[in-house]
Amino acid sequence: QQPVQSPQAVILREGEDAVINCSSSKALYSVHWYRQKHGEAPVFLMILLKGGEQKGHDKISASFNEKKQQSSLYLTASQLSYSGTYFCGTSTSGTYKYIFGTGTRLKVLA
Amino acid sequence: DAGVIQSPRHEVTEMGQEVTLRCKPISGHDYLFWYRQTMMRGLELLIYFNNNVPIDDSGMPEDRFSAKMPNASFSTLKIQPSEPRDSAVYFCASSPQGSNGYTFGSGTRLTVV
Repeated sequence: QQPVQSPQAVILREGEDAVINCSSSKALYSVHWYRQKHGEAPVFLMILLKGGEQKGHDKISASFNEKKQQSSLYLTASQLSYSGTYFCGTSTSGTYKYIFGTGTRLKVLA
Repeated sequence: DAGVIQSPRHEVTEMGQEVTLRCKPISGHDYLFWYRQTMMRGLELLIYFNNNVPIDDSGMPEDRFSAKMPNASFSTLKIQPSEPRDSAVYFCASSPQGSNGYTFGSGTRLTVV
């Protein structure tokens, strides 16, 4: 079952914050987050594991709420380079099989 | 490391022709994945391998699609015969054992006319 992301699209000004949500209808074991720029391959951002802590690097962080079967990606003080489509990938079984979400298009304006 | 290498980058073929997509994963990565990306369906997992063995091919659309991994450094995805609805970007990705993300190749843009 494909996880659902929200919002579908968001436009920000440089320096603004954004939150992207990823919801699953099944219990989650782990979550990946990726960013894909137009015409390029997805690039891995971070992984969150069941029972793990909130992760982050630089101004991008993520949380994992097992009870809500949901993960959220937080982008703070956004930069132009943050523009792209963000995907979550979810594993419900502890295997390496990840199903990707519907995607969130993010555009940061100067 | 050169990353995950896919070839060709672009492929245009006529309906009914056989198409073979190729992938070289990162050395030492135990897992290899084939995904297909379209506007309508997003990123779909087709099949994945662990140590050259197919683990889950439930995403392969139909018998026209087949994938092989004859050794740790090479995999192919074959479509025979191809149809216009197979047009998409096909990504190969690899991952090491453990809690790590995937490294994707640059993809093959397939157009079937």
